Amino acid sequence: NAGVTQTPKFQVLKTGQSMTLQCAQDMNHEYMSWYRQDPGMGLRLIHYSVGAGITDQGEVPNGYNVSRSTTEDFPLRLLSAAPSQTSVYFCASSPPLGQSTDTQYFGPGTRLTVL
Amino acid sequence: AQSVTQLGSHVSVSEGALVLLRCNYSSSVPPYLFWYVQYPNQGLQLLLKYTSAATLVKGINGFEAEFKKSETSFHLTKPSAHMSDAAEYFCAVSDSGGYQKVTFGTGTKLQVIP
Repeated sequence: NAGVTQTPKFQVLKTGQSMTLQCAQDMNHEYMSWYRQDPGMGLRLIHYSVGAGITDQGEVPNGYNVSRSTTEDFPLRLLSAAPSQTSVYFCASSPPLGQSTDTQYFGPGTRLTVL
Repeated sequence: AQSVTQLGSHVSVSEGALVLLRCNYSSSVPPYLFWYVQYPNQGLQLLLKYTSAATLVKGINGFEAEFKKSETSFHLTKPSAHMSDAAEYFCAVSDSGGYQKVTFGTGTKLQVIP
């Protein structure tokens, strides 16, 4: 299993540009989440999904869109990049809590800089 | 809404000494609590989780945490620090019964001094 994969690893954007951060998992997990990590602030939840076709907002959803058309993929779209979106983005997946193998798996992250 | 507070953004211990990382939670319902570790330039890894089955939870790499409802605490401990324990540690809480809405603390960087 590849686990949770994220592409790209690094990205530089100009203000106003749009882009999609890709996230895929091969563990057939129902739950997937996007977080951003900023120094001194821990991880903050952007959007999450509990299954294909079902998404919801987290703590900091403004400026980001998601969709979940398949169990495997959960892309994060930046509609019009702003310098405040400079951050490290992590995707995570997990089965429902309580399953014998339940844990939350994180991808390696995408480091995004918006100029 | 649930939240966690981690006391101390940086903690230094000598190799072989006790590791104690503090976390207090705030939740209106019985919480699910987690500790994660992040090594430099990597994603997070789950160390352990509390889901009300037992108040003392053992995790990977020799870490454990005790849920104390009266103190609203979930401190992480390890009897003897190893150089490889140097990392950033995050306490987290979920009141949704799952990983889909987890709220993280601001993290504690652990330095291990040889």
